[in-house]
Amino acid sequence: EVQLVQSGAEVKEPGESLKISCKVSGDSFTKYWIAWVRQTPGKGLEWMGFIFPADSETKYNPPFRGRVTFSVDGSDSTAYLQWSTLQMSDTAVYFCTRRGPNGWYGDWGQGTLITVSS
Amino acid sequence: DIQMTQSPSSVSASIGDRVTISCRASQDVGIWVAWYQQKPGKAPTLLIYAGSTLQSGVPSRFSGSGSGTEFTLTVSSLQPEDLGTYYCLQANTFPRFSFGPGTKVDI
Repeated sequence: EVQLVQSGAEVKEPGESLKISCKVSGDSFTKYWIAWVRQTPGKGLEWMGFIFPADSETKYNPPFRGRVTFSVDGSDSTAYLQWSTLQMSDTAVYFCTRRGPNGWYGDWGQGTLITVSS
Repeated sequence: DIQMTQSPSSVSASIGDRVTISCRASQDVGIWVAWYQQKPGKAPTLLIYAGSTLQSGVPSRFSGSGSGTEFTLTVSSLQPEDLGTYYCLQANTFPRFSFGPGTKVDI
């Protein structure tokens, strides 16, 4: 059984940096794309983009390009989502999800709540 | 970008009712649509993919149909555990996937 386990909730101030994680177990880490999804009360679910763990190829949905960075550590089967400068508008729950053999995204992490407040 | 709309935005139904949720894409997405259920405080759960294929382990009371720009999710006999919010997702334009705004189902 594939499991995605995300790091815990964070409270940060505007301007700070942050890196959250998503650890994959139960299957080969490099086999399938991993994606990140943002959820806010105002905008609902938003697909942020993808990373392919085998070669770290990234594909960003345009609204998020330049605002976040995706990375992986293959030795630890972990994907990361990173901000260099947080804004209050980054307050949200962030999910990681992984493509399955059927080509669709059926395995999800439990979500990480990020609160950015002064 | 492809916009997804859903109707209704919320529905209140009784146990055993047939519930239908509609999703419309702003342009043709073929069958590249999935449906997710989300319960409060939890991650979305994949119910249907490729427009009409039932995800493994999902009860057969859930079904999906449609292609092009019009899609439907049907729950044939609503059960108490089916409360939550349902989202359609278009996956036609990589990497610009997009969700609908959601339909909240109350029992």
